[in-house]
Amino acid sequence: RKEVEQDPGPFNVPEGATVAFNCTYSNSASQSFFWYRQDCRKEPKLLMSVYSSGNEDGRFTAQLNRASQYISLLIRDSKLSDSATYLCVVNTGTASKLTFGTGTRLQVTL
Amino acid sequence: DTEVTQTPKHLVMGMTNKKSLKCEQHMGHRAMYWYKQKAKKPPELMFVYSYEKLSINESVPSRFSPECPNSSLLNLHLHALQPEDSALYLCASSPGTEYEQYFGPGTRLTVT
Repeated sequence: RKEVEQDPGPFNVPEGATVAFNCTYSNSASQSFFWYRQDCRKEPKLLMSVYSSGNEDGRFTAQLNRASQYISLLIRDSKLSDSATYLCVVNTGTASKLTFGTGTRLQVTL
Repeated sequence: DTEVTQTPKHLVMGMTNKKSLKCEQHMGHRAMYWYKQKAKKPPELMFVYSYEKLSINESVPSRFSPECPNSSLLNLHLHALQPEDSALYLCASSPGTEYEQYFGPGTRLTVT
């Protein structure tokens, strides 16, 4: 089983749609969780950290379920500019390094 | 300002060349990282520096040699690379190793 698993997609959605991505992680000792977005041929950019209580930033909502070991990202009112690859990233704490999922590709269309 | 800078943006080198990649951050972050990313794959960790000391080497071949001259700078020295080493090399920094990382724009390396 991979340490961090994501559905690679692509998810093709129309503008204005709501889309959700899930990510599962295998190490129950994982401490920190993040979503990054990466545009083609660019660096990953931090989208948001994910907290146990869940957190929201504008149209983006992230949730963590420690019991089931999964993280979710919800994007409301999708924009064309949301088209990117979304990377689920987990810090196991013990190794002090980030483990990246393979990414979920989102394409928002007119 | 969450900015990490990297130079050069692009680099083409032969298999016998020696070159260096540079990374700089002025956010006071104490951890810095080198990653390698191939097309359509996630970044792969190469090295971690924490408080200017190498803390993780992910079994990277010795033709890649990292150096951390001070808390703001990170170099990656390249020598005798292979064509399969062609990739995007990303530098990142974080306040500490347990926190979120901020990536530089990367150096796109082509080995001929």
